[in-house]
Amino acid sequence: TQLLEQSPQFLSIQEGENLTVYCNSSSVFSSLQWYRQEPGEGPVLLVTVVTGGEVKKLKRLTFQFGDARKDSSLHITAAQPGDTGLYLCAVTSGTYKYIFGTGTRLKVLA
Amino acid sequence: DAGITQSPRHKVTETGTPVTLRCHQTENHRYMYWYRQDPGHGLRLIHYSYGVKDTDKGEVSDGYSVSRSKTEDFLLTLESATSSQTSVYFCAISERPGQGAGELFFGEGSRLTVL
Repeated sequence: TQLLEQSPQFLSIQEGENLTVYCNSSSVFSSLQWYRQEPGEGPVLLVTVVTGGEVKKLKRLTFQFGDARKDSSLHITAAQPGDTGLYLCAVTSGTYKYIFGTGTRLKVLA
Repeated sequence: DAGITQSPRHKVTETGTPVTLRCHQTENHRYMYWYRQDPGHGLRLIHYSYGVKDTDKGEVSDGYSVSRSKTEDFLLTLESATSSQTSVYFCAISERPGQGAGELFFGEGSRLTVL
């Protein structure tokens, strides 16, 4: 059983469309991170959210941490081909472990 | 870019043979991690280290062992490789896990194929 479930698993959209991906759990977390991974590379951190209800924006990407700190969403406005990649949410479990979600693979078509 | 080097980057081996993957960092970060990545599973934690000679198991540790004799090196060993261990393996480092976690920096991955 995965601690973090992400949906959808796959998403293929046209350039210019908006989309939202989700990261859900039944557990409460002190913070949550989003990473993006491009083919052949390791994941790279996009954002860390720490407060329930927090909203952070990174250009066309908007991240929200749920009020109960159990879930998070990532919204992309006017998607571009450069947004293509695997989006992963992650939390720290215990003192040292980073646990990742199942991932959403996004493809943006030109 | 964080100074993390994984070796080898690609390896093909046969079932039953031992395999060691190496992760070398130049950032002097205390915490090091080994993950495997398979379709539909995201990244799954194999083992991690919270200091020299201090290691612990992750979610999928069966069939794997690790060692950390120096701050900069974290080795992952498959004592007797099986086809189910065919995967892409990522090393990662962190300066500050836990509450208000800091960034996890990743290597470029090692693709292992067990025939």
